[in-house]
Amino acid sequence: AQSVTQLDSHVSVSEGTPVLLRCNYSSSYSPSLFWYVQHPNKGLQLLLKYTSAATLVKGINGFEAEFKKSETSFHLTKPSAHMSDAAEYFCVVSDRNSGTYKYIFGTGTRLKVLA
Amino acid sequence: KAGVTQTPRYLIKTRGQQVTLSCSPISGHRSVSWYQQTPGQGLQFLFEYFSETQRNKGNFPGRFSGRQFSNSRSEMNVSTLELGDSALYLCASSLQTGGNYGYTFGSGTRLTVV
Repeated sequence: AQSVTQLDSHVSVSEGTPVLLRCNYSSSYSPSLFWYVQHPNKGLQLLLKYTSAATLVKGINGFEAEFKKSETSFHLTKPSAHMSDAAEYFCVVSDRNSGTYKYIFGTGTRLKVLA
Repeated sequence: KAGVTQTPRYLIKTRGQQVTLSCSPISGHRSVSWYQQTPGQGLQFLFEYFSETQRNKGNFPGRFSGRQFSNSRSEMNVSTLELGDSALYLCASSLQTGGNYGYTFGSGTRLTVV
């Protein structure tokens, strides 16, 4: 079965410094992977997705993620953090089972941006 | 265009009651999924509907049920509410079933069971 592990429950960075949120996945086939962001009391917003095209995926708000099959990783990065990036981030793998799909969510990483 | 709309935003119910939550997907989206979000269990998949048919189901008891109408709007029902059902319930829509397209989420319905 597919699974996803977010390696850090909390990450703190200073405004203007790089962001790295780590995600490892387990999949028995070529997965589809996503990053979502959730601001307080809001729903989830899709940041970017990997669906077997280019391994470096660019998303909204300056975020990127690189799919590394050899490392089974899909880490999320941003060169320079803004205060508005403070939120919870979820790594997601699309799980295929008997021809149907469902999302498997990671446990989330809460990003804190310090002024 | 309008996003995914969930109503109501907040609900307070008593143990043993039942509740119905509503979700209107983005126009043209035929797939609607439901998720439960709690601090302890995180985000858990409840079920997905596509063209009025349940296509996939998570590991929740039969007290949790759903349906989808011909206009793709969906409802989720929880009967015999328990304290542990207190959660944020999120609805998500997509053009097709399968998840590869990415889902658009609503802002959720926060259910409190007392």
